[in-house]
Amino acid sequence: DQQVKQNSPSLSVQEGRISILNCDYTNSMFDYFLWYKKYPAEGPTFLISISSIKDKNEDGRFTVFLNKSAKHLSLHIVPSQPGDSAVYFCAARLAGAQKLVFGQGTRLTINP
Amino acid sequence: EPEVTQTPSHQVTQMGQEVILRCVPISNHLYFYWYRQILGQKVEFLVSFYNNEISEKSEIFDDQFSVERPDGSNFTLKIRSTKLEDSAMYFCASSALTGPGANVLTFGAGSRLTVL
Repeated sequence: DQQVKQNSPSLSVQEGRISILNCDYTNSMFDYFLWYKKYPAEGPTFLISISSIKDKNEDGRFTVFLNKSAKHLSLHIVPSQPGDSAVYFCAARLAGAQKLVFGQGTRLTINP
Repeated sequence: EPEVTQTPSHQVTQMGQEVILRCVPISNHLYFYWYRQILGQKVEFLVSFYNNEISEKSEIFDDQFSVERPDGSNFTLKIRSTKLEDSAMYFCASSALTGPGANVLTFGAGSRLTVL
């Protein structure tokens, strides 16, 4: 059951540059998408979200883009900072449901 | 900022023993969840709970698992007879019923279960 996929297990980016994390999904009934950030020994922390009726949502250094026709979303972080080093999970919610379906996560490392 | 608290942070148990993991969700949240993450794998949904009953459960959540809200603040996950493959980090989460927070699950720091 791979309804939400993050195909890059890891990503390394230079401090100050843009980090782009990608996520693909297969179920067209997802109506809400979220990005969570996770540090070791902590729970996932909500970062940013987007409704399926939008194609972009921005919050400070974080922007999420949604391409419904391609069933693809991405998280842009600019400029990247060392504190952004963490595992990032893409998650999606089916219309009418409460639970979230998570991707496998992408480990982002920001190099000084 | 309100948070979800989980206890214990780490529990080691022998195979076949019963384990209870405890969670205190955010006080005005009405939906509660348990997820787990086996080392190196993705975060997997186990069960959701609303209005004192299970609203949805995954195929992982078999008869060995149960959830309970014994009072107005705690939400527990019981594993009756633990197996080696139950070793994982277990995350509790909660969400609001309405408003912008209804779409966002707030997670606790997790309880690491090690079954020997």
